[in-house]
Amino acid sequence: DQQVKQNSPSLSVQEGRISILNCDYTNSMFDYFLWYKKYPAEGPTFLISISSIKDKNEDGRFTVFLNKSAKHLSLHIVPSQPGDSAVYFCAAGITGGGNKLTFGTGTQLKVEL
Amino acid sequence: DAGITQSPRYKITETGRQVTLMCHQTWSHSYMFWYRQDLGHGLRLIYYSAAADITDKGEVPDGYVVSRSKTENFPLTLESATRSQTSVYFCASFRDRGNTIYFGEGSWLTVV
Repeated sequence: DQQVKQNSPSLSVQEGRISILNCDYTNSMFDYFLWYKKYPAEGPTFLISISSIKDKNEDGRFTVFLNKSAKHLSLHIVPSQPGDSAVYFCAAGITGGGNKLTFGTGTQLKVEL
Repeated sequence: DAGITQSPRYKITETGRQVTLMCHQTWSHSYMFWYRQDLGHGLRLIYYSAAADITDKGEVPDGYVVSRSKTENFPLTLESATRSQTSVYFCASFRDRGNTIYFGEGSWLTVV
């Protein structure tokens, strides 16, 4: 049972445009969410997070939106740059739940020149 | 620089062999984790540890054993490796500030 889902395995965007990566979850107990970025042959690195008490969090070019009623979150990257090409994982956790994160299957973003 | 180091980074082993993947962190984080990454499955939790001598199963623990005698080390052992355990393994630790997990660079394991 996949509790965190990323239904788009890949996404291609032109440089300078907006990239929108989507994530859905089924467990209503999740109360914080994170996005990780992964380059080939490297470990995932933390990108941005959001608590369930917020609906938006912004950090530079990266913004995460949370729609709790729809159990949906999205990551917006504006403007997209070639260096953003990577696999993006959505993750969710439960406060007091042992600090474990449940990850989605990832979306491969390719930013083209 | 402080962080998480994994060894070996790359390993080829034969079916039935015992393999241990090492993980060392210098942050003194209490929580540590082992995840595996497989195409179509993302990152799945194998085992985690809340502190020295405290470990618990994750989503896919079968075929794996862990120990945590010291806070900084969290080795993962495949007691009798199978081809289905060919994967990329990531060790991670939890940072309280920001509710963030930090990952090591990964160990690529191939079981032939």
